[in-house]
Amino acid sequence: DTGVSQDPRHKITKRGQNVTFRCDPISEHNRLYWYRQTLGQGPEFLTYFQNEAQLEKSRLLSDRFSAERPKGSFSTLEIQRTEQGDSAMYLCASSLDGIAGSNTRYFGPGTRLTVL
Amino acid sequence: AQSVTQLGSHVSVSEGALVLLRCNYSSSVPPYLFWYVQYPNQGLQLLLKYTSAATLVKGINGFEAEFKKSETSFHLTKPSAHMSDAAEYFCAVSVVGASKIIFGSGTRLSIRP
Repeated sequence: DTGVSQDPRHKITKRGQNVTFRCDPISEHNRLYWYRQTLGQGPEFLTYFQNEAQLEKSRLLSDRFSAERPKGSFSTLEIQRTEQGDSAMYLCASSLDGIAGSNTRYFGPGTRLTVL
Repeated sequence: AQSVTQLGSHVSVSEGALVLLRCNYSSSVPPYLFWYVQYPNQGLQLLLKYTSAATLVKGINGFEAEFKKSETSFHLTKPSAHMSDAAEYFCAVSVVGASKIIFGSGTRLSIRP
C-alpha cells in the first residue's frame, strides 16, 4: 500500500491554458473522488468514479472541467481555458467498497494549481 | 442535505493543555461523521470516524470524539497537546448511500510552547 499519489504536486499556468492532473489511487480501491480546496476552506466535492464509471458530478464542475478514469485505475482531471478562479489545491481520494457513505477516503497530497 | 459547522477558525492552546475543537452537524438521517487532519502542503489524513457504533470514538495520535445526538455535535478532544498537533482540522459528514462527504471550513490549531 503506497497510498494515493498525485502528479504534478505544483502547476503554474497562464490564464487560458489547459492543464491536466493525474491521480493514482490505492491499487485495490475501486472508488475515486476529486475535491477542490481553496485557501481557508474545506475540500469541496467535484466528482466521483466507481471503477471506470463517473457516477456523480458537482455543479462546481463546469463545462471546462473533465475527468476520466479509463481503465478503472488512475484518473485524470483536465481543466480547459483556465481562469484565475481555478487556482486551488486539487485533491484526489480513493476508497474501497463498503457501506457507501461510511467508507474511509484516503487522500493524496494534492496538486496546487496557480493560474496567473 | 447535510452540513457541518466548525466553531472557531483558529484555536490556540499551550503545550500540555486540553485540546477541544468543536463541530456541529446537520442531517435529516443518521450521519456518519469524520475528523481529518491536514498538515501544511499535504493531503488529509483520517483521525477518526463515527459510523453508528460506539458514541465515543478513539482515533490516532491520542484524539477522540464523542457523538452527541441531542446536541448534534461531534467535538474533537485530546487531553494533552503536543507541538506536533499544530495543523488544520476538518470535520465532515456523510450518510448511508452517499458518494461524497461534506467538509466543514476547518479549524487551525496552534500550540504555544
